[in-house]
Amino acid sequence: RKEVEQDPGPFNVPEGATVAFNCTYSNSASQSFFWYRQDCRKEPKLLMSVYSSGNEDGRFTAQLNRASQYISLLIRDSKLSDSATYLCVVTRRQAGTALIFGKGTTLSVSS
Amino acid sequence: DVKVTQSSRYLVKRTGEKVFLECVQDMDHENMFWYRQDPGLGLRLIYFSYDVKMKEKGDIPEGYSVSREKKERFSLILESASTNQTSMYLCASSPRQGAFQPQHFGDGTRLSIL
Repeated sequence: RKEVEQDPGPFNVPEGATVAFNCTYSNSASQSFFWYRQDCRKEPKLLMSVYSSGNEDGRFTAQLNRASQYISLLIRDSKLSDSATYLCVVTRRQAGTALIFGKGTTLSVSS
Repeated sequence: DVKVTQSSRYLVKRTGEKVFLECVQDMDHENMFWYRQDPGLGLRLIYFSYDVKMKEKGDIPEGYSVSREKKERFSLILESASTNQTSMYLCASSPRQGAFQPQHFGDGTRLSIL
């Protein structure tokens, strides 16, 4: 099983749609979880951290299920500017900071 | 804002050359990382460092070495460049380990080995 697995997509949705991305991770000792966003030919940028209780930032909601080793990202009311690749990221070691990146899920929002 | 600066956006080198990629961060972060990113393979960790003069191998260290002589600077060295090292190289930094410490990335260096 790969350390971090994501559906690569692409997800093609119209503006205003709600879209959900899923991610599974294999290391039960992972302690920190993030979603990064990467635009074409640019560096990854932190979108949001993922907390055990779930967290929301505007139109974005992240959920964590430790028992199932599953992370999700929900985007509501999609905008054209949300088009990007979304990377699921987990820590490799319990107390370390080495991050493992998923290969990313590509989202394309059209008008 | 955290600023991670990579010395070159684009670089073209020849097979067999020794190549240096430089990265500097201005936030006094202890941790620094080098990744490469290739289509279909995602980001892969090459080397990382928790402190000055400390380094640890990542997933794909072969053909690379690193240097951390000063806290703010982390260099990636391709000892003898080969065509399979053509890639996008990304440097990142983060504060000393703790929960929820994301990494901040530089703009990346697109390296082509001819």
